[in-house]
Amino acid sequence: QSALTQPPSVSGSPGQSVTISCTGTSSDVGSYNRVSWYQQPPGTAPKLMIYEVSNRPSGVPDRFSGSKSGNTASLTISGLQAEDEADYYCSSYTSSSTYVFGTGTKVTVL
Amino acid sequence: QVQLVQSGAEVKKPGSSVKVSCKASGGTFSSYAISWVRQAPGQGLEWMGRIIPILGIANYAQKFQGRVTITADKSTSTAYMELSSLRSEDTAVYYCASERGHHYDYWGQGTLVTVSS
Repeated sequence: QSALTQPPSVSGSPGQSVTISCTGTSSDVGSYNRVSWYQQPPGTAPKLMIYEVSNRPSGVPDRFSGSKSGNTASLTISGLQAEDEADYYCSSYTSSSTYVFGTGTKVTVL
Repeated sequence: QVQLVQSGAEVKKPGSSVKVSCKASGGTFSSYAISWVRQAPGQGLEWMGRIIPILGIANYAQKFQGRVTITADKSTSTAYMELSSLRSEDTAVYYCASERGHHYDYWGQGTLVTVSS
């Protein structure tokens, strides 16, 4: 199972919006609405930000949103803030009853 | 709220095995699965496998088949991940995470495993 493909880095100024893509195949992202997103600041454990493509857990700001089209899922951060600077990973369930993570994207707030 | 507390850092020789524990508190241990995810230095997250404690059934990523064993002790609400035939490329932080609905809502603090001769 190959890792899902994410851009290595994205950046934006405070208040801007950034979008991170997560491209898989018809055996994972394309077949299931079981895509989740995680935020990982340096030296810390990942934190769940989005589950089932577009749902936010309690406590996650509504400026984080998720979507999916075909084999590609996306995470959008609107109104970018300095505290959003971190690594972000997508994850998907697969047709082999396993899971796969994305390659990770570093978000930089300029 | 579930809290996952992992065992401490380990230093192992190549060819040996390591067993990392993950003790859960809060919530009902048998009501969720436990997955193991690792992260090599400067690298991304990698899913290794999971166990459903109430069933005692585990499944693994193909990459680790035959080398990883994930178990759970319901009496102590503890999950274990054992990785054998260690090599330098296995040096990583190993995380356990509780899984409900195909996403990971709580994570352990991570356990650094260093493989070095």
